[in-house]
Amino acid sequence: KAGVTQTPRYLIKTRGQQVTLSCSPISGHRSVSWYQQTPGQGLQFLFEYFSETQRNKGNFPGRFSGRQFSNSRSEMNVSTLELGDSALYLCASSETPQSSYEQYFGPGTRLTVT
Amino acid sequence: GQQLNQSPQSMFIQEGEDVSMNCTSSSIFNTWLWYKQDPGEGPVLLIALYKAGELTSNGRLTAQFGITRKDSFLNISASIPSDVGIYFCAGRRRGNSGGGADGLTFGKGTHLIIQP
Repeated sequence: KAGVTQTPRYLIKTRGQQVTLSCSPISGHRSVSWYQQTPGQGLQFLFEYFSETQRNKGNFPGRFSGRQFSNSRSEMNVSTLELGDSALYLCASSETPQSSYEQYFGPGTRLTVT
Repeated sequence: GQQLNQSPQSMFIQEGEDVSMNCTSSSIFNTWLWYKQDPGEGPVLLIALYKAGELTSNGRLTAQFGITRKDSFLNISASIPSDVGIYFCAGRRRGNSGGGADGLTFGKGTHLIIQP
């Protein structure tokens, strides 16, 4: 089985712009979670989607949003980018939310905001 | 938000030595996970623990779910060069809304460096 794929792998944006990141889960996995990883804060949970519905949300401002499509692929969007949004954004998939303790991560998208 | 206290932050060891790291929390978790992350990659799941007191092995790796549900440890025996990387613990609570679980809470990581 192919693993979790994320596109793009690297992205450079300027402050004030918006960005959309994409995640394709492992085939058969229907739950997708997003995390932000920075050197200072480590790995922090953004949100989780299942059946095109957001099930859980971390403590991030409303500029961070996401969605899930009927084929389980997910996108996250960050509007009005700030320098502090520079991070590695990781997507993780699992079969269902009930099995989502076994989350499998993609390689991440490295976002740099200048 | 919630934090897991992971220690040590870094370890410099000789090849062949055993390694031990742990995570503690002030909150109870229902699941403990251990991941390894290599540079430029996402975390890779090593071991998942589901019951308090559970001891689970995966090759040279052994992890335990603390009896209080507030801690976990990971041991690596007879370390080899490819064990180099950052190891993360992660905990998961049962959510309050309709049976779904919250997202994972991660420790800050243990950076393992092995000297040949």
